[in-house]
Amino acid sequence: EIQMTQSPSTLSASVGDRVTITCRASQSISDYLAWYQQQPGKAPKLLIYKASDLQTGVPSRFSGSGSGTEFTLTISSLQPDDYGSYYCQQYNSFSWMFGQGTKVEIK
Amino acid sequence: QVQLVQSGAEVKKPGSSMKVSCKASGDTFSSYAFHWVRQAPGQGLEWMGGIITIFGTVHYAQKFQGRVTITPDKSTSTVYMELSSLRSDDTAVYHCAGSPIYDTNGYYSNNAFDIWGQGTMVTVSS
Repeated sequence: EIQMTQSPSTLSASVGDRVTITCRASQSISDYLAWYQQQPGKAPKLLIYKASDLQTGVPSRFSGSGSGTEFTLTISSLQPDDYGSYYCQQYNSFSWMFGQGTKVEIK
Repeated sequence: QVQLVQSGAEVKKPGSSMKVSCKASGDTFSSYAFHWVRQAPGQGLEWMGGIITIFGTVHYAQKFQGRVTITPDKSTSTVYMELSSLRSDDTAVYHCAGSPIYDTNGYYSNNAFDIWGQGTMVTVSS
């Protein structure tokens, strides 16, 4: 199975900061990479699919990039509502494995 | 728009089995794959397996092979997930999620999970 590794595990940033989260795949997954946001007590929400496509309704401050084994999620200007955990997920093969998550805290 | 509604919370004894349901609304049951994702308290998301109902194919994560079974009921647009030999570390919220199976050109494609159920809390305790 393809393994996904995210970094950092946690980050604390101020409103307005640029935030970047990295995700690495154990082997190439082309651009079959998604990003999700999960807030406490809620189901995850799809933000980005195909590494860089923004899901309908998601604010444009969220963006994704990368291909192969290295991917990034960027929040261009962190907002108070962006707290929560962020997960990458690969779906290149017939497994849909997640990274271990990055917890984002607002200072 | 497909919506997913899951069955309610359960308490189970160690060694027993659990079976959770996920009912899809709308008429797109055949154009989605349905997956089960669990989240132990304070932990991350863990994909358990998924079913592509139109093809009848099922895929399981290696960790759960032999212990999990995902089945569809096309007559009611419902997907079930059964987990056997329960242990205390199976205590978790179990989410049903859906991924479209066709790309914009109408060809089969794996896709991300764009719809989620509300989650089902399962507690395993003696």
